[in-house]
Amino acid sequence: QKEVEQNSGPLSVPEGAIASLNCTYSDRGSQSFFWYRQYSGKSPELIMFIYSNGDKEDGRFTAQLNKASQYVSLLIRDSQPSDSATYLCAVRNYGQNFVFGPGTRLSVLP
Amino acid sequence: DTAVSQTPKYLVTQMGNDKSIKCEQNLGHDTMYWYKQDSKKFLKIMFSYNNKELIINETVPNRFSPKSPDKAHLNLHINSLELGDSAVYFCASSLIGAGDPYNEQFFGPGTRLTVL
Repeated sequence: QKEVEQNSGPLSVPEGAIASLNCTYSDRGSQSFFWYRQYSGKSPELIMFIYSNGDKEDGRFTAQLNKASQYVSLLIRDSQPSDSATYLCAVRNYGQNFVFGPGTRLSVLP
Repeated sequence: DTAVSQTPKYLVTQMGNDKSIKCEQNLGHDTMYWYKQDSKKFLKIMFSYNNKELIINETVPNRFSPKSPDKAHLNLHINSLELGDSAVYFCASSLIGAGDPYNEQFFGPGTRLTVL
């Protein structure tokens, strides 16, 4: 069974710090990896996607992918209280559905 | 110009009733999904549907049935509602096409279902 795992948290970081969110997946054939942010009572919204090994940066966010280790992470630099949310990792293969992890709840303390 | 819309936003009903949730997308996507998010926030896929096939998560009770009148709509019908059906239900859509894995999913705003 294809699985995506995340530490459920809550992960608490002080404002201005780097928040590091981790995700592992079981399907070695996975091709693309997505990070969604979900505020309480809202729907998930895409932050970043990555499909090549290495780092991908977008503003304060950096996604890191290591296919050999089946590991993907999201770094949030200069964390703000507005970043407090649940972060969902999602994984996909060709023609396959998205498989979501359970999410990590992040709390950025002012 | 909402991309993925769902109605109703809130649904409160009694056990044993039958209800439907509607979903529409105007993104031209070819695949639509229904997810259930329980109180622990775990997002579990229930169905995915495109014009070629319906894929059903085997853990979904057959009281749940998707109905797609056309490519832009995927409605969720629930028969004989139970207390455990209380959750937030999200519709989503994506462009699968020839199997490109890089296309993201777009989510609707969710429908909070409460079964009393």
